[in-house]
Amino acid sequence: DTAVSQTPKYLVTQMGNDKSIKCEQNLGHDTMYWYKQDSKKFLKIMFSYNNKELIINETVPNRFSPKSPDKAHLNLHINSLELGDSAVYFCASSQGLRVYGYTFGSGTRLTVV
Amino acid sequence: AQKVTQAQTEISVVEKEDVTLDCVYETRDTTYYLFWYKQPPSGELVFLIRRNSFDEQNEISGRYSWNFQKSTSSFNFTITASQVVDSAVYFCALSGDSNYQLIWGAGTKLIIKP
Repeated sequence: DTAVSQTPKYLVTQMGNDKSIKCEQNLGHDTMYWYKQDSKKFLKIMFSYNNKELIINETVPNRFSPKSPDKAHLNLHINSLELGDSAVYFCASSQGLRVYGYTFGSGTRLTVV
Repeated sequence: AQKVTQAQTEISVVEKEDVTLDCVYETRDTTYYLFWYKQPPSGELVFLIRRNSFDEQNEISGRYSWNFQKSTSSFNFTITASQVVDSAVYFCALSGDSNYQLIWGAGTKLIIKP
């Protein structure tokens, strides 16, 4: 039973489209995150939710909108996709606001053509 | 400000050699945690270790060992008798009481040649 599951694993889409990535964790954690990993492997935090409340919102284009229907889910919706959005997106979860370690999903490789 | 520096962008060694990955951090927090994660070619991020700022004991887990030195703000990772399966990108990260996220190093790509 996967602890943090992301879907889809691969996503290829055309510029201008809107897409969503889903994330679910069954660890009972109350904090969830979205990270973007670029082609140079640099990890950049995008958003963090604690008990469905947004607590970190880094400088990310407003085309990216996270949604947390409950504390076990954190979805990422991207509007008007651009070539520069191509990256691997990781979902992660942890317990509490202090970071004692993340459990990561397996990543979603987004390719915009 | 908090910062993690992994100065080695890429390391290449022959199998069975020992290799050390460096990690230097900056923080003003008194209480903080240091982490290492592994990202193999398959892409997932795998947790390796967490160390808190009050525990400077070195840790050994099989062929892996970690050397935490507060005096030099370093948390280095050594793999002894490296194997091809150790080939991956390794990330060092830091979290402190003053923020709610991990601060990541840029990663070190480790290549183990057979």
